[in-house]
Amino acid sequence: EAQVTQNPRYLITVTGKKLTVTCSQNMNHEYMSWYRQDPGLGLRQIYYSMNVEVTDKGDVPEGYKVSRKEKRNFPLILESPSPNQTSLYFCASSLEPGRTTYEQYFGPGTRLTVT
Amino acid sequence: DQQVKQNSPSLSVQEGRISILNCDYTNSMFDYFLWYKKYPAEGPTFLISISSIKDKNEDGRFTVFLNKSAKHLSLHIVPSQPGDSAVYFCAARVNYGQNFVFGPGTRLSVLP
Repeated sequence: EAQVTQNPRYLITVTGKKLTVTCSQNMNHEYMSWYRQDPGLGLRQIYYSMNVEVTDKGDVPEGYKVSRKEKRNFPLILESPSPNQTSLYFCASSLEPGRTTYEQYFGPGTRLTVT
Repeated sequence: DQQVKQNSPSLSVQEGRISILNCDYTNSMFDYFLWYKKYPAEGPTFLISISSIKDKNEDGRFTVFLNKSAKHLSLHIVPSQPGDSAVYFCAARVNYGQNFVFGPGTRLSVLP
């Protein structure tokens, strides 16, 4: 089954404790992104990657890191989480090689609470 | 400052009638627009898209209209069904890249 998976689905942590949210896709997609969803603000893009070892900042990158060492994986790293990073996080992927459509496939979300 | 606006936080429609969801944008560098639907506890799912060089795209019950001069797009759902009840997000791509900007969403309720 074609899908984007994220782990963990729920995470409660404390301020300053480094954490990683994993994201994996099995569709051979070129592009991957991370978003956060907050009430009244919709989804805001944190980082995106257009290929292995190629990443770029989205609209809200502060406090986050990413890496794309393999095509299928795109982990989100919070080196020192703070309470304002409490949010619902979505990973997404898009673009099969040879196609020109740009819709993104989203994972099920990770609800992060930082106390 | 939000570049993609969905000014109606919620909308209620009777089953079988037309649902019209609106989206306004401010950035002239947007070249591609998409609509996503989101159910609770799930990720958004793609619905329909339109390139900035077109003014209409249709897919079954869903039609998206783009008015570039007004920087406005709308999603029409005809006929509306109870299963269409969800939050709908308008999204725009910046200048042929992979930077996407989403609106805040509109919650559609289709009443039986």
